Amino acid sequence: QSVLTQPPSVSGAPGQSVTISCSGTSSNIGATYDVHWYQQHPGMAPKLLIYGNKHRPSGVPDRFSGSKSGTTASLAITGLQAEDEADYYCQSFDSRLSGSLFGGGTKLAVL
Amino acid sequence: QVQLQESGRGLVQPSETLSLTCAVSGASVNDRSYFWAWIRQSPGKGLEWIGITYYDGSSYYNPSLRSRVTISADPSQNEFSLTLTSVTAADTGVYYCARQGRFCTGGSCYTPFDSWGQGTLVTVSS
Repeated sequence: QSVLTQPPSVSGAPGQSVTISCSGTSSNIGATYDVHWYQQHPGMAPKLLIYGNKHRPSGVPDRFSGSKSGTTASLAITGLQAEDEADYYCQSFDSRLSGSLFGGGTKLAVL
Repeated sequence: QVQLQESGRGLVQPSETLSLTCAVSGASVNDRSYFWAWIRQSPGKGLEWIGITYYDGSSYYNPSLRSRVTISADPSQNEFSLTLTSVTAADTGVYYCARQGRFCTGGSCYTPFDSWGQGTLVTVSS
């Protein structure tokens, strides 16, 4: 059972914006550990989308942005496109686990 | 550009040992900038961190798997491996190897999983 809690699903129409939350605790996000986000299309490996809470790797469109406040991190996607339909996972370090922890994942549907 | 490729048996009998190898190209498992990780995904479920190994031979594991798992690197082959003993059906899933990279910006450094293998499906069944 994931300690990082994400909504199971979100949806939006093309061109709209959505936000995916990732709620943690005082042993991970709340302990100021950084949050990273991954995008996974069906049958594919996850792809790094956001690192260090808000930074985009080269090649990731600026439609994707990340933020963190307290024990919660968020991924915002603006100008939704059909290819954004995928699963999204947050990840952080957890001091009780002494290792990495992933959120349960959020399925984004572009209606 | 770093590439990772998993290999190993796709079908393992219950109570036996799962063994996978990840071949690395475009980077060295001896590079002290990186950790090398195994992550798995049960059918229709989310991602689970299994553990990591470092160039100095140290390894760190998910407490839920620690008694059954070993991750180690072979610099001579530039690869690293996963061994999971006493498997059950609950260990069925897609196993990914990944690099935990290092991104430094604005005076801070971050270590996300920046490169992934394509994943290999392991089924535990008799």
